[in-house]
Amino acid sequence: GAVVSQHPSWVICKSGTSVKIECRSLDFQATTMFWYRQFPKQSLMLMATSNEGSKATYEQGVEKDKFLINHASLTLSTLTVTSAHPEDSSFYICSASRQIQETQYFGPGTRLLVL
Amino acid sequence: AQTVTQSQPEMSVQEAETVTLSCTYDTSESDYYLFWYKQPPSRQMILVIRQEAYKQQNATENRFSVNFQKAAKSFSLKISDSQLGDAAMYFCAYRSALAMNNNAGNMLTFGGGTRLMVKP
Repeated sequence: GAVVSQHPSWVICKSGTSVKIECRSLDFQATTMFWYRQFPKQSLMLMATSNEGSKATYEQGVEKDKFLINHASLTLSTLTVTSAHPEDSSFYICSASRQIQETQYFGPGTRLLVL
Repeated sequence: AQTVTQSQPEMSVQEAETVTLSCTYDTSESDYYLFWYKQPPSRQMILVIRQEAYKQQNATENRFSVNFQKAAKSFSLKISDSQLGDAAMYFCAYRSALAMNNNAGNMLTFGGGTRLMVKP
């Protein structure tokens, strides 16, 4: 159990467009979901944490109007990159946990390339 | 704020040999969790092993074991009988044991990673 999926696995878009990435917990209900960003050959950087039904908590330096997070249900969280620019190109990874303080299970990631 | 440091950007091991990856961390908390995650070329993060700070016994998972030195704030990962499939990035991570309403207690703090290469 504890499988997390992400869709799409990769996306290419033009500068100025918006891109939505979905994160789903397939076999469990996720109270909390996390969104990370990873640049090539670097570690994961937490962008935001979201609880089902409430507003996301963004890390310092992450623009909440740029990276919209919606955790509408216990199995789905979405990250929308609005008005994407080439510097937003990165690998985005989500994770989910059943309850506070439980293990985070990671999705396979989404590679975003903005032209 | 907690920090996690992996001082070895790259490590190499011969197949079937043993390798140890280093991790140190800084925290003022007494209760916390430590993790080792593996990220293979597919980039899927896989939990390798987990250690609770209140447990003195080192965690083991088959060929993977840790050397947890709480006083020294050190948490190394030993991989025995290395296999080609062990080649990956390995990340050490810290999480507080405090449950906080603002989710700060849930967040993982990652080290910079160590790239492990396994030679056939």
